[in-house]
Order: sequence, then C-alpha cells, then structure tokens
Amino acid sequence: DAKTTQPTSMDCAEGRAANLPCNHSTISGNEYVYWYRQIHSQGPQYIIHGLKNNETNEMASLIITEDRKSSTLILPHATLRDTAVYYCIVGGGSNYKLTFGKGTLLTVNP
Amino acid sequence: NAGVMQNPRHLVRRRGQEARLRCSPMKGHSHVYWYRQLPEEGLKFMVYLQKENIIDESGMPKERFSAEFPKEGPSILRIQQVVRGDSAAYFCASSARRTSGSSYEQYFGPGTRLTVT
Repeated sequence: DAKTTQPTSMDCAEGRAANLPCNHSTISGNEYVYWYRQIHSQGPQYIIHGLKNNETNEMASLIITEDRKSSTLILPHATLRDTAVYYCIVGGGSNYKLTFGKGTLLTVNP
Repeated sequence: NAGVMQNPRHLVRRRGQEARLRCSPMKGHSHVYWYRQLPEEGLKFMVYLQKENIIDESGMPKERFSAEFPKEGPSILRIQQVVRGDSAAYFCASSARRTSGSSYEQYFGPGTRLTVT
C-alpha cells in the first residue's frame, strides 16, 4: 500500500483558508487520493477524493500535483467546527482497505 | 437519506461475555467494512463483506471474532469471550457496488464503543 506523510498538526484562523498537505510519493497509477476527517472520536467523515485532476465539492477542494506524488486539501473558509484530525489516504482501484495513519490535527482558532 | 447506522453506540461487557455489534449500511450500499480503533491509535481494517459473503477477513483476529452480512438484516460483528484488550471503538463503513479499478468512497457510521470490564 502506498504510504502517506502528513504534518502532525496545523493551526488556522477562523474564516481563513486551511491548506493541508500530503505526500504520497509511492502512489501507483490506479490509486486514488482520499481525504477523511475525524472529529473528536466520531466516525470518520468522507471529504473528497481524486485520481489525477483537481476536484471540488461543497466541503473542500483537492489539488493533486501533476506527478501525483503530493496533494493539498483546501478548506476555503475554515470554521471552528472544522477542528478535527484530517487523514490523507491512498487506495481504491483493487485496494479497498483504507489505511489510516496519524493524520493532521487541524485546530481552527477564533 | 439515512447514513450508516450502528448500534449500540456504547456497550459494556464483562470479561468472558459475548459482544454483538450491528451495522446497517446506507441505502443502496451492498458492501460493508468493519474497522477497529484502539485508544490513541488509527483505524485498522478488520473485514470486508458483501451480502452473504465474506470477501476479506485478513484484519480480523483469528479467534473469537466473526462477522456476517446476511441476506436480510444488518451486518453483525461478533466477539466471543471478550477480554480487556478488545475495548475499542468499532466502526462500520459501507460503499456502493464496486467495479474493478473504480473508486467507491466508504461512508462511516458513528461507531460502537466497547468497554470490557
């Protein structure tokens, strides 16, 4: 399974954009990049996923570099309720197991 | 559209008892996955099921743990003769029907927190 590397923690001011980076240099051609978050021991919440192209939905945007070795999750206007652990996961294709690392603890400050 | 439902949300069992955790997938989803989160650790895959079939149980402990997803009703994760080390949060996820090479995001339930005393 391709591994991912994320910063342990990040801070963001309320109302500003939060940019969460992820490195996945060993990603294979048919693997997707998924982002989930977990708010204080609740069930993980799906945010967004992508293969090659940048993606946007109502929650966030996902920017994937051309070589696919890294990506950035963007929360355009962070709120206090976005404080959570964010997980970048590589999988999909024939790999259905989501491997959760330690993720990034994003703290949104008032 | 109801999400993934799990019950009970909290379960307390004494050592040696049985624990039964139930998971109802999202409407239209036929694939169920169980994950376990030990205290201060990340989620770990346990088992992947489709209706009446276990597809992959490579993450399940070999003894005392079993899972099923019957034709009718919820998926059940069963832990026999529980021990203190089984105390954890157990999350169920579901996804739509998969085709080879495709991506199907998994949607998680709120989890069942098992405490073994």
